[in-house]
Amino acid sequence: GDSVTQMEGPVTLSEEAFLTINCTYTATGYPSLFWYVQYPGEGLQLLLKATKADDKGSNKGFEATYRKETTSFHLEKGSVQVSDSAVYFCALQTGANNLFFGTGTRLTVIP
Amino acid sequence: DAGVIQSPRHEVTEMGQEVTLRCKPISGHDYLFWYRQTMMRGLELLIYFNNNVPIDDSGMPEDRFSAKMPNASFSTLKIQPSEPRDSAVYFCASRPVWDNTEAFFGQGTRLTVV
Repeated sequence: GDSVTQMEGPVTLSEEAFLTINCTYTATGYPSLFWYVQYPGEGLQLLLKATKADDKGSNKGFEATYRKETTSFHLEKGSVQVSDSAVYFCALQTGANNLFFGTGTRLTVIP
Repeated sequence: DAGVIQSPRHEVTEMGQEVTLRCKPISGHDYLFWYRQTMMRGLELLIYFNNNVPIDDSGMPEDRFSAKMPNASFSTLKIQPSEPRDSAVYFCASRPVWDNTEAFFGQGTRLTVV
């Protein structure tokens, strides 16, 4: 079945460090891929998305490229800030109506 | 629009009691989803509705769980009787039919069953 495997956390980085959170997927067909972010005490928010192979999603300095050959959608940011501390979820959607989420990766950025 | 609104934000109840969680989706959104988040299992889809009709409830863990959507602006998730293992954060999400690439989540209800 469809699934997402996400890098285990937690991840702790110093401010301005480079961030990578790995995500690979298994899916039939051609899924859309997403990164959602959950700040403390809040619901999930869409961070970025890519709907076809080789698309790059980007938002707030974060980027991820849809790699069909490696079935991956790794999240990157060149210089993290304390305000980026949150839980990040990789997700895929095949069909119209369900998002399959990874287990989430907690990021803590220290000053 | 105020976004997806869930109530209550926190609920503490005793084992065996009935619990009702509420959700108001964004106006005009045709799809409504209920998710459960736990440390052990992450985010799980419980059930989703399209135009107030339940489409897939295969994620509902057992008969103690039920969900309704009596109209386009309101949905409930009920647990009766509740058990300690039901303790989790329950999220409601909605999205419009014309854009299936983003789901909008509420802030969640943190349920603790003691």
